[in-house]
Amino acid sequence: EVQLVESGGGLVQPGGSLRLSCAASGFTFSSYDMNWVRQAPGKGLEWVSYISTGGGATYYADSVKGRFTISRDNAKNSLYLQMNSLRVEDTALYHCARDLVSYDYVFDVWGRGTLVTVAS
Amino acid sequence: DIQMTQSPSTLSASVGDTVTITCRASQSISNRLAWYHQTPGKAPKLLIYKATSLQSGVPSKFSGSGSGTEFTLTISSLQPDDFATYYCQQYYRYSYTFGQGTKLEIK
Repeated sequence: EVQLVESGGGLVQPGGSLRLSCAASGFTFSSYDMNWVRQAPGKGLEWVSYISTGGGATYYADSVKGRFTISRDNAKNSLYLQMNSLRVEDTALYHCARDLVSYDYVFDVWGRGTLVTVAS
Repeated sequence: DIQMTQSPSTLSASVGDTVTITCRASQSISNRLAWYHQTPGKAPKLLIYKATSLQSGVPSKFSGSGSGTEFTLTISSLQPDDFATYYCQQYYRYSYTFGQGTKLEIK
């Protein structure tokens, strides 16, 4: 079964850091571009970051640029999001999402998400 | 950024009905539009991409149309599983924005 499972969320104070992980299974992880997409409580969806198959290309939403870093370890079938200088407005459910083959930024497999709460 | 606006925000319908959701882009996005649905506590699911292409495994009761700035998602013969929140998303240009969602409720 194709599956993405996120972990690493939690409660953190403003200005703090957190590292999210996403474990992939059921498909050849190294063949797919990957993304993080977040959803603030009761709100819609927001694309956060993208990484290419080999990790050589990374892109970020303006709202997180310079604070978040996406990375991957293909040997471990894992995707990561290092989040620094966290703000209250970063509070959200963070999903990892796989790109549909040949369609960048169309997300055909999603994880259920890990909740990040930024509060003092 | 390209703004995506869905209407209506909430839609009430009955089992067996056919409904249509509209998504408008603030500028032309060609046919670079996807539709997803999400039920509470679950991950979003891709339904349609390239405005009209049905994702593998998605039943043909879902159909998409449109190009440029105006798009529609039609769902026929509504079943209980279909009552969810639906999102459109443009992937024409950074920052790959989503609509605010349309909540489909049972009447």
